[in-house]
Amino acid sequence: AAGVIQSPRHLIKEKRETATLKCYPIPRHDTVYWYQQGPGQDPQFLISFYEKMQSDKGSIPDRFSAQQFSDYHSELNMSSLELGDSALYFCASSLGLEAFFGQGTRLTVV
Amino acid sequence: EDQVTQSPEALRLQEGESSSLNCSYTVSGLRGLFWYRQDPGKGPEFLFTLYSAGEEKEKERLKATLTKKESFLHITAPKPEDSATYLCAVQASGGSYIPTFGRGTSLIVHP
Repeated sequence: AAGVIQSPRHLIKEKRETATLKCYPIPRHDTVYWYQQGPGQDPQFLISFYEKMQSDKGSIPDRFSAQQFSDYHSELNMSSLELGDSALYFCASSLGLEAFFGQGTRLTVV
Repeated sequence: EDQVTQSPEALRLQEGESSSLNCSYTVSGLRGLFWYRQDPGKGPEFLFTLYSAGEEKEKERLKATLTKKESFLHITAPKPEDSATYLCAVQASGGSYIPTFGRGTSLIVHP
């Protein structure tokens, strides 16, 4: 069965650079979530989209933005990167209750 | 504010030694409680959804139960391949449907 696809899997950026993370949800799923997970931490909700419209916003810094496109894929744009942005970034999609997660993008800011 | 507390933070078991993981939650109204398994550096893998108190679900050596205040993930005769972090998340019935996660229990099963 198709799963949530994230790219890239690994990304290394320098401070103050910009990064773009991509997410391809499970076909026909109507909701996309973005989460950030630091080492040993629980996933922290960043932002979500329902039918391509932003639906909820969590602890997402102003330096980050996201959008969902007509083909339902979503992108998380991160600017002015800081060392503290180093984390695993997960995208999840759902149709109903259960959210299914991708394998994540590991972002390292050096 | 929705809260999810998992205990213990870490658990070491011998192969075949059964045990339980706890997830206590505070939510205005429960739409669903979810259990996930997460391997290092990978995304959470969905295991179960529980909707109402008294509900139970099983999958291989795992059994999840739900009361009005907590959920348990029982692991029967675990094997080393069950080693992972187990995350609990809740989704409230009112307002935002965003799943709120606990910090997880890191399980290590020794052969």
